[in-house]
Amino acid sequence: SQQGEEDPQALSIQEGENATMNCSYKTSINNLQWYRQNSGRGLVHLILIRSNEREKHSGRLRVTLDTSKKSSSLLITASRAADTASYFCATDDNNDMRFGAGTRLTVKP
Amino acid sequence: ETGVTQTPRHLVMGMTNKKSLKCEQHLGHNAMYWYKQSAKKPLELMFVYSLEERVENNSVPSRFSPECPNSSHLFLHLHTLQPEDSALYLCASSQDGTEGDEKLFFGSGTQLSVL
Repeated sequence: SQQGEEDPQALSIQEGENATMNCSYKTSINNLQWYRQNSGRGLVHLILIRSNEREKHSGRLRVTLDTSKKSSSLLITASRAADTASYFCATDDNNDMRFGAGTRLTVKP
Repeated sequence: ETGVTQTPRHLVMGMTNKKSLKCEQHLGHNAMYWYKQSAKKPLELMFVYSLEERVENNSVPSRFSPECPNSSHLFLHLHTLQPEDSALYLCASSQDGTEGDEKLFFGSGTQLSVL
């Protein structure tokens, strides 16, 4: 069954702008992860945030986690055309990773 | 290259055919997974193998049969599939531990079309 749910379903921005994607989940978690998928390819792990962390950075990525609201956000700053992809949040459910339907991000050059 | 290799990349099969998908991981991980990804739907976890033993089977129809002969290889045997089984089938691996922060490494997937 689906655990994470991303919002919006699709996002289109200009190169250089920031992109924010949100994720909501239902049960308690040990950690939340974000993955990226280029069309027709496998998912690639981007960043993991533990349940006792509130914010984490990795390069142009910034992830926040609010366990009281059961939500997370992924911010990509200074976006590039190469950031065009689908982005998924994933949560562990009894040690099995479950994903949402993803946000399709398009960055226009 | 993620260290997880899936073959074939594309597969077209009839409803009466029998075929197998193969996954191999070169990362020394102890857990492997099959996911199904249909258009505009969340990834569906199908099977999980930890230390070569199946630990999860999410009510997957019996026309899908997994096999994990060792910790590096995972197969998905297919027979008498339906057109709605057409999807991208993704294999993943992870190193399960006690930290609870396992990351998944995915292969590029097999795009399956059932005619």
